[in-house]
Amino acid sequence: DQQVKQNSPSLSVQEGRISILNCDYTNSMFDYFLWYKKYPAEGPTFLISISSIKDKNEDGRFTVFLNKSAKHLSLHIVPSQPGDSAVYFCAASATGGTSYGKLTFGQGTILTVHP
Amino acid sequence: GAVVSQHPSRVICKSGTSVKIECRSLDFQATTMFWYRQFPKQSLMLMATSNEGSKATYEQGVEKDKFLINHASLTLSTLTVTSAHPEDSSFYICSALLGGEGETQYFGPGTRLLVL
Repeated sequence: DQQVKQNSPSLSVQEGRISILNCDYTNSMFDYFLWYKKYPAEGPTFLISISSIKDKNEDGRFTVFLNKSAKHLSLHIVPSQPGDSAVYFCAASATGGTSYGKLTFGQGTILTVHP
Repeated sequence: GAVVSQHPSRVICKSGTSVKIECRSLDFQATTMFWYRQFPKQSLMLMATSNEGSKATYEQGVEKDKFLINHASLTLSTLTVTSAHPEDSSFYICSALLGGEGETQYFGPGTRLLVL
């Protein structure tokens, strides 16, 4: 049962353009969402997060949008740079209850930014 | 941002031996740490939740007697793979939970384990 899904295994974008990575979730108890960037043989690096009380959070070139009714979130990177090429994981957590801090990860999307 | 270290970064061992991996939060205290495993071209699989001063909580299907977790201080958790077998070869990653508005997990760089 995949509660967090990233349906696009890969995305290719030209340098300077916008990268849009998508993520869907099914568990309505999720109320905190995060995006991580990961290179091979390294741990994930935290990029940006959003609480369910917001619909948008921005940090530099990264913006995360949350559509609770659709159970969908997206990460926008603009402008995209070749150094952004990596695997991007969407993650979700239910901050209340017994699963404190536990994250459920999507399958990841490989982003390639071409010069 | 918060920094988490892991040691060793890579380890090769013989089948039947035990291997200990350390996870440290360097600039913050973490009452909760997590241990993950990642298989090639797959997502991270949560193995267990490590709580300082109490027993770890293991995910379904993870053998607690094989993967021993100790969280003796607010900055250190250890994972010991006991009697390692080749199928235990994997990439092990820890994370530490930084509390606050969103309880963000910060990850270590990972440990590559190869069991011969």
